[in-house]
Amino acid sequence: GQNIDQPTEMTATEGAIVQINCTYQTSGFNGLFWYQQHAGEAPTFLSYNVLDGLEEKGRFSSFLSRSKGYSYLLLKELQMKDSASYLCAVRADSNAGKSTFGDGTTLTVKP
Amino acid sequence: ETGVTQTPRHLVMGMTNKKSLKCEQHLGHNAMYWYKQSAKKPLELMFVYSLEERVENNSVPSRFSPECPNSSHLFLHLHTLQPEDSALYLCASSPSGTGGNEQYFGPGTRLTVT
Repeated sequence: GQNIDQPTEMTATEGAIVQINCTYQTSGFNGLFWYQQHAGEAPTFLSYNVLDGLEEKGRFSSFLSRSKGYSYLLLKELQMKDSASYLCAVRADSNAGKSTFGDGTTLTVKP
Repeated sequence: ETGVTQTPRHLVMGMTNKKSLKCEQHLGHNAMYWYKQSAKKPLELMFVYSLEERVENNSVPSRFSPECPNSSHLFLHLHTLQPEDSALYLCASSPSGTGGNEQYFGPGTRLTVT
């Protein structure tokens, strides 16, 4: 089976740094995605990791450790507009779209 | 503009009605997906089409019937739904069904079954 764990909620202050963790246990692994979803809107792609290490994209970075079944999304210089739900999704095999999503972490950024 | 459109955006239907959800992608992608998103639950993959062929059907009840007439259009036909089917139904597309290609989501259809 597939199991993906993320914290349910996090709160951080504008301008700060926050790290959202994701651990997974899947029958296979072919990549991990992070998506951002604002309330009432569709998820939008943030990052994709398939090899160990850190991928940086502006204020957002994503890290993967396949041996530990662990990833994190790092958000720097937080802005109010970063308040959203962050979804971790694991592609277990190479079949079309076979990704399993975590419950999502709701991040609230406060002034 | 995400490149993936869905209609209608909101739908209220009775349990005896028949309705269809429509999704269209303008990105030239080869794979399309239907997801269900209920409150306080993770995204649930329902169906996957790759090159117009259904490649995934995650034990979805038969009251949901997908149709993919071409690589740009995807439908979800609904009939005799239950109140617990009320949810946000999201369509997505990706460049290919394999590999690490990210998915592009439509805005969703908010479905309420009364």
